[in-house]
Amino acid sequence: EAGVAQSPRYKIIEKRQSVAFWCNPISGHATLYWYQQILGQGPKLLIQFQNNGVVDDSQLPKDRFSAERLKGVDSTLKIQPAKLEDSAVYLCASSPRLAGVNNEQFFGPGTRLTVL
Amino acid sequence: GIQVEQSPPDLILQEGANSTLRCNFSDSVNNLQWFHQNPWGQLINLFYIPSGTKQNGRLSATTVATERYSLLYISSSQTTDSGVYFCAVDRMDSSYKLIFGSGTRLLVRP
Repeated sequence: EAGVAQSPRYKIIEKRQSVAFWCNPISGHATLYWYQQILGQGPKLLIQFQNNGVVDDSQLPKDRFSAERLKGVDSTLKIQPAKLEDSAVYLCASSPRLAGVNNEQFFGPGTRLTVL
Repeated sequence: GIQVEQSPPDLILQEGANSTLRCNFSDSVNNLQWFHQNPWGQLINLFYIPSGTKQNGRLSATTVATERYSLLYISSSQTTDSGVYFCAVDRMDSSYKLIFGSGTRLLVRP
């Protein structure tokens, strides 16, 4: 079974530029998550989708970050314009359902973003 | 919100040694997962263990939900065990996002 796929793996941009990350979850997983991991810290949730609907985006800086999961499968996270403090690893995860037992989350390899 | 505390923050072992990592959490949880983040940044699932005990090779984990802690045991450590170990929980309410601890950074020396 294929895992969570993400691209690109690395991205370097100048501040004020825009960038987009792509994620394809494990086949059949209804719930998709985007996390931000700053160096030396644990990942923190940015946004959570159930199928193509947003469940939780309370930690997403909506003035510059946006995300969509139009067909309920793959997802795109965008930053526009980027700031220096956005330098981090962006991790995508998926789980079979929103809640309940055996709802293990699986993570992709991440995209390492450097903003200069 | 729920607090997740991991200890120790850093650990250095000689190859072959055993270790115990601890995760304390401040509220009731639905889900608890242990991850290993390798030097390339990949989060690898070790255990899904909201309660009870599980074993997988040299690794085992125990969660005592009523006392709000979980332990990860690593036996006969190898250099490939190096990396950061994270505990993550989701709260027993309507939000099912994982809240991560700050991790235990493990270095196993040959």
